[in-house]
Amino acid sequence: DIQLTQSPSFLSASIGDRVTITCRASQGINSYLAWYQQIPGKAPKLLIYAASTLQSGVPSRFSGSGSGTEFTLTISSLQPEDFAVYYCQQVKSYISTFGQGTRLEIK
Amino acid sequence: EVQLVESGGGLAQPGGSLRLSCAASGFTVSSNYMSWVRQAPGKGLEWVSVIYTGGTTYYADSVKGRFTISRDNSKNTLYLQMNSLRFEDTAVYYCARDEIDYSNYVYPHYYYYMDVWGKGTTVTVSS
Repeated sequence: DIQLTQSPSFLSASIGDRVTITCRASQGINSYLAWYQQIPGKAPKLLIYAASTLQSGVPSRFSGSGSGTEFTLTISSLQPEDFAVYYCQQVKSYISTFGQGTRLEIK
Repeated sequence: EVQLVESGGGLAQPGGSLRLSCAASGFTVSSNYMSWVRQAPGKGLEWVSVIYTGGTTYYADSVKGRFTISRDNSKNTLYLQMNSLRFEDTAVYYCARDEIDYSNYVYPHYYYYMDVWGKGTTVTVSS
């Protein structure tokens, strides 16, 4: 199975900061990667698909990049509602996998 | 409005069975790939299973041979039959609609991403 490793696992930042989360795949997955946001107690929400395409309705401060084995999710200016857990997910293989998650907390 | 509503969760004993349902509205289940994802208490997301439009199914190694994904087109509902339950199956189970990108084929499926999620149903396996 394809493993996804996110870094960091925990991130503390302030309102207005620019933050970047990295997702590394154990083998090449082209651009078959999505990013999700999960607020504790809620269902995940799709942010980015195909590595860099912003889902409709998602604020433009979110952006994604990368292909192959290394991907990034960037939030350009943190807002209070962005403090959540973020997951990457691949579907290159018929066995899909998620990264372990990155918890973003307020400093 | 596009919506997914899971039901069927509850308490089960080890070795027991449960069937989860996911009722869809605002779209046709059989026209999309559909997935189940679970989240154990305090843990991350774990992909469980997918069913393609043609009916092909795949499972995570952790549930293969014990869980079965299916759909009832007449009821526009997705199911997850869970047998031989284990303590480690305790989790919130989410169903998700998989939006298909027909311009992007990666064997054995088109590229897809989970664009609509239900609120989840809780399964607890305990003696």
